[in-house]
Amino acid sequence: QKEVEQNSGPLSVPEGAIASLNCTYSDRGSQSFFWYRQYSGKSPELIMSIYSNGDKEDGRFTAQLNKASQYVSLLIRDSQPSDSATYLCAVQMDSSYKLIFGSGTRLLVRP
Amino acid sequence: EPEVTQTPSHQVTQMGQEVILRCVPISNHLYFYWYRQILGQKVEFLVSFYNNEISEKSEIFDDQFSVERPDGSNFTLKIRSTKLEDSAMYFCASTGSYEQYFGPGTRLTVT
Repeated sequence: QKEVEQNSGPLSVPEGAIASLNCTYSDRGSQSFFWYRQYSGKSPELIMSIYSNGDKEDGRFTAQLNKASQYVSLLIRDSQPSDSATYLCAVQMDSSYKLIFGSGTRLLVRP
Repeated sequence: EPEVTQTPSHQVTQMGQEVILRCVPISNHLYFYWYRQILGQKVEFLVSFYNNEISEKSEIFDDQFSVERPDGSNFTLKIRSTKLEDSAMYFCASTGSYEQYFGPGTRLTVT
């Protein structure tokens, strides 16, 4: 059973702080990793993709991947109240195009 | 910016009725997907579609489900005889490579 695990939260941070969201996955065959943001009642919105070990930065977002530890994280710098949403980690196997989603971490940024 | 569109945004149907959910993927994308999300639960993969045929399906995607690309732009999901447990958000997604972009979803309510 291929699993993607996330802490459900809520993770509460003050405005301007760094929010750190974590995700672990069970299958070592996983090759591609994605972070989606989902506002309540809306569809997942792609924020970041990462395919190799290390860090990948895009604006205020940094994705980190450690395949040996089967761990992927998302850092949000200078968090804004508009970042308050559920963040979904999704994993893709090399042998399949389907995404396997975690249950998401709810982030709350306090003004 | 190109985006995936879905219609209708909300569909209410009676148990046992057939429904067709429609999607227009991003125009130069070749891979199409349906996912669903039951309220409060994870986003779950249903089916992937490439080159006019199903490339992968989940155990959820049983004989009551079917997909079709009736023309060069639309991608449809048909549920033949809806059940109460089919009530969920249904998301269409498309990709040209690895990153999947989601449509706004159709909320299906089965009464």
